[in-house]
Amino acid sequence: SYVLTQPPSVSVAPGEAARITCGGNNIGSKNIHWYKQRPGQAPVLVISYNNGRPSGIPERFSGSKSGNTATLTISRVEAGDEADYYCQVWVSGGVFGGGTKLTVL
Amino acid sequence: EVQLLESGGGLVQPGGSLRLSCVASGFNFLTYAMSWVRQVPGEGLEWVSGLDGSGDVTHYADSVKGRFTISRDNSKNTVYLQMNSLRGDDTAVYFCAKEWSAMDEWGQGTLVTVSP
Repeated sequence: SYVLTQPPSVSVAPGEAARITCGGNNIGSKNIHWYKQRPGQAPVLVISYNNGRPSGIPERFSGSKSGNTATLTISRVEAGDEADYYCQVWVSGGVFGGGTKLTVL
Repeated sequence: EVQLLESGGGLVQPGGSLRLSCVASGFNFLTYAMSWVRQVPGEGLEWVSGLDGSGDVTHYADSVKGRFTISRDNSKNTVYLQMNSLRGDDTAVYFCAKEWSAMDEWGQGTLVTVSP
């Protein structure tokens, strides 16, 4: 089965950029989606189809891919960005990465 | 405003069954695929099952294949997850989500606890 690998945690100071990676075999050929989840809440789609921003998602959120890695970049990080972030692909079924806890220092 | 409201969770013994429901509103339900995603408290997201707008095409995670059945009633704007032969590792919060690739709307989830 297909596996997506994320770092367990990323820490960044307010105002800096956070980069969360998602690795997977031949990920360049797949559409990647990113979700933000705060404790006790449902996930929220923040990036769709590699680099699309759903309505209401700030321009500070962007997605990219290079080689076997996809990256979610959050520029000018704010305290409210602190959350768990998950990447996801569709491979005859949904596959989520293990999640990355973003800590704003 | 899109709303997804799950129900049907609760405490069930190992080997038992439970049916979850998700009532949708605020969008043209029959034109969208729907998914179920679960999360053990404190752990990550696990996609469980999805079906297309007509209900004719279904997909399941290997961990639930043969035990869970997803279905929908487009006249009631409702998607279901029938869960049979439940095990302890099925204990989780179950979320209903709109779409099966980029899941752009989610319910608040319903807790399923499998325990003697």
